[in-house]
Amino acid sequence: KQEVTQIPAALSVPEGENLVLNCSFTDSAIYNLQWFRQDPGKGLTSLLLIQSSQREQTSGRLNASLDKSSGRSTLYIAASQPGDSATYLCAVRGSGNTDKLIFGTGTRLQVFP
Amino acid sequence: NAGVTQTPKFRVLKTGQSMTLLCAQDMNHEYMYWYRQDPGMGLRLIHYSVGEGTTAKGEVPDGYNVSRLKKQNFLLGLESAAPSQTSVYFCASSRTRRTTGELFFGEGSRLTVL
Repeated sequence: KQEVTQIPAALSVPEGENLVLNCSFTDSAIYNLQWFRQDPGKGLTSLLLIQSSQREQTSGRLNASLDKSSGRSTLYIAASQPGDSATYLCAVRGSGNTDKLIFGTGTRLQVFP
Repeated sequence: NAGVTQTPKFRVLKTGQSMTLLCAQDMNHEYMYWYRQDPGMGLRLIHYSVGEGTTAKGEVPDGYNVSRLKKQNFLLGLESAAPSQTSVYFCASSRTRRTTGELFFGEGSRLTVL
């Protein structure tokens, strides 16, 4: 059974720092991995989608990497801003049943001025 | 740009009452999902649909029923609500092939069962 873990559960950093969020999954046979952002009281917004054949994806200040063999993905946020404060979740679509995404419990990020 | 719309956004029920959550998407997506989000447990899949007229069970389907009579709508029903069903419910949809589809979420429906 696929399990997805995100560490740390919470992170507080000063504005301007570069930071890395981690996502680990137990079954390396995945089709893709997706990173989301969730603001308090809101739905999830897709940030980046990495296919199993890719090693990284970039969008603006965000860069997500994927290492299937080690069961890990990282989300790198460059030059963090207070507006980046949110909960970040990763989700994997596994090979057993590709209809389903399995979510991690998220990392709550606070960027203070 | 409506995207994925959920109604209602908030609801309070008494134990044993029934209700239906409606999800509508205007992106012509084939796949639709219902998740629940609880503190410390992340998002868990309740039911999903891979096309009009189809439904399938997710991780936590007990106590819920769904219907997908029209491609754009996915309904989640609670026949006899229980306090354990107090949660935030999210609907999501994805475009075409399940192996590549990016997921788009609604804003959520907060349900409290007393």
